[in-house]
Amino acid sequence: QKEVEQNSGPLSVPEGAIASLNCTYSDRGSQSFFWYRQYSGKSPELIMSIYSNGDKEDGRFTAQLNKASQYVSLLIRDSQPSDSATYLCAVMGEYQLIWGAGTKLIIKP
Amino acid sequence: DAMVIQNPRYQVTQFGKPVTLSCSQTLNHNVMYWYQQKSSQAPKLLFHYYDKDFNNEADTPDNFQSRRPNTSFCFLDIRSPGLGDAAMYLCATGTGAKNIQYFGAGTRLSVL
Repeated sequence: QKEVEQNSGPLSVPEGAIASLNCTYSDRGSQSFFWYRQYSGKSPELIMSIYSNGDKEDGRFTAQLNKASQYVSLLIRDSQPSDSATYLCAVMGEYQLIWGAGTKLIIKP
Repeated sequence: DAMVIQNPRYQVTQFGKPVTLSCSQTLNHNVMYWYQQKSSQAPKLLFHYYDKDFNNEADTPDNFQSRRPNTSFCFLDIRSPGLGDAAMYLCATGTGAKNIQYFGAGTRLSVL
């Protein structure tokens, strides 16, 4: 059973600080990794995709991938209250995305 | 803007009364997906189409069926909804390239 694990949280971070979200996966052969943001009652929205080891930066967001250790992380710099949401990690399996259950992030003003 | 549109946004049905959810896309993507998501859970893949090729997940209940009459439209039919089928139903599209999926706004189904 291929799995993606995330801490369910909630993770509480002060406004302006760095939020760090982590995800581990079991399928060593996975090649594609994604972070989606989901506000309560809304659908998932793609934040970042990453395909190779290392860091990928997009604005305030940085995705980090370490295939040897089978983890992927998302850093959010200068956290804003609008970043409060559930962050879903997804990893491409053989033919479908394998989803984590998400980490609830709360940014406190 | 190119997008994925789901209708209706909210659907209330009675126990056992058939319901159809629809999804349309203007992205011209060849892959379409239907997910079920319950509160605080990961999205669960029900079906996907690669062009007209239909793929049913092994644990998708027989109560759920899908149709894709053309590239742009896809439907989810729930033949006899039970209380356990109350959930958010998400439609997504993709090209297969880089495995990125684009989601519609979802349909929240309530079963009374």
